[in-house]
Amino acid sequence: DIQMTQSPSSLSASVGDRVTITCRASQGIYNYLAWFQQKPGRAPKSLIYDASSLQSGVPSKFSGSGSGTDFTLTISSLQPEDFATYYCQQYNSYPFTFGQGTKLEIK
Amino acid sequence: QVQLVQSGAEVQKPGASVKVSCKTSGYTFTDYYIHWVRQAPGQGLEWMGWIKPKTGDTNYKQKFQGRVTMTRDTSISTGYMEMTRLTSDDTAVYYCARDSGLTYWGQGTPVTVSS
Repeated sequence: DIQMTQSPSSLSASVGDRVTITCRASQGIYNYLAWFQQKPGRAPKSLIYDASSLQSGVPSKFSGSGSGTDFTLTISSLQPEDFATYYCQQYNSYPFTFGQGTKLEIK
Repeated sequence: QVQLVQSGAEVQKPGASVKVSCKTSGYTFTDYYIHWVRQAPGQGLEWMGWIKPKTGDTNYKQKFQGRVTMTRDTSISTGYMEMTRLTSDDTAVYYCARDSGLTYWGQGTPVTVSS
């Protein structure tokens, strides 16, 4: 199985900040990577697919980059509604696997 | 608009089975795979497998093979995930999601396994 490792596991930031979350795959996955946002008690929400393509309706403050084994999710100008847990997920090969999550908290 | 609506919360005893449904609307059901993902309390996300609605073909994560069955009813655009021989480790929220990018998700079905 491909292991996905996110860093950091938790992150404190202030409203208006720009933050970056990193996701590393244990082997190359081309650009078959997605990012999700999850708020407590809610289903995950798809933000980005194919490493850098924004899902319809997702604000452009979210951006993704990377290919192969190293990927990043950047969120600019943080707003209160952005504080949540973020997951990366590879869909290059089965079984699909997720990172352990990054909890973004308000400082 | 695309919607995936799941069945309600379940409480089951160890050794029992559970079947969760995922009713879809807003798109052609047979055009996209349905995936199932679960999340144990306070934990991360775990992919379980998929079903191809057009043919009924399935692909399960190895740890679930023999204990999970994914089916569908194309007449009502609904997918199902049945898990047998439940243990307390299966206590989780179970989600269905559409396509390999997991673009759209159901609201989740909490399953509690407790004696």
